[in-house]
Amino acid sequence: DGGITQSPKYLFRKEGQNVTLSCEQNLNHDAMYWYRQDPGQGLRLIYYSQIVNDFQKGDIAEGYSVSREKKESFPLTVTSAQKNPTAFYLCASSMGQGFGEKLFFGSGTQLSVL
Amino acid sequence: GEDVEQSLFLSVREGDSSVINCTYTDSSSTYLYWYKQEPGAGLQLLTYIFSNMDMKQDQRLTVLLNKKDKHLSLRIADTQTGDSAIYFCAEEMNSGYSTLTFGKGTMLLVSP
Repeated sequence: DGGITQSPKYLFRKEGQNVTLSCEQNLNHDAMYWYRQDPGQGLRLIYYSQIVNDFQKGDIAEGYSVSREKKESFPLTVTSAQKNPTAFYLCASSMGQGFGEKLFFGSGTQLSVL
Repeated sequence: GEDVEQSLFLSVREGDSSVINCTYTDSSSTYLYWYKQEPGAGLQLLTYIFSNMDMKQDQRLTVLLNKKDKHLSLRIADTQTGDSAIYFCAEEMNSGYSTLTFGKGTMLLVSP
């Protein structure tokens, strides 16, 4: 079945540590996105990528980094510069053709600080 | 600025209709969406409406759009306990690329 796989489901970060969240899709989608969700809050866009080897900052990119070396993969690194990383992280993808895009979401990664 | 507002909580009894409301501020929005999120899971697209429409029906779901008031609603007929979840309204900007602005979500609790 086609879909988006995020791993791990739960992740713990120590002070000063970088951690990487994985996102893989087999939907043949061009566009991929990372959102952050805090309790009682909506989703905020961290980074998005329209095509391989290209990505743009979203609304809250500081303290995060991404890469898009393959169409299927869009990993997110939470760096030590992100001082409040505890949140639920959601990866999504879409066909990338412009308006009326339907986003397909992964099941999320809960990141907590030790 | 762009902002999407939703009420935070709605409680209904099984079999009743649920109406979840949303207001948005950008008059140039092209598409408006409703997503559903169950506990500990990602979001699932429920339905969407193009900005030149005022109503869309899809089985138990009815979306109403009042573009003049920038008001969007989602009606769920014959609400079931399995409909308990958080519902997000989202607007797509006319910015040349598809990025969405989400509301904070409305938690729907359906009691037997």
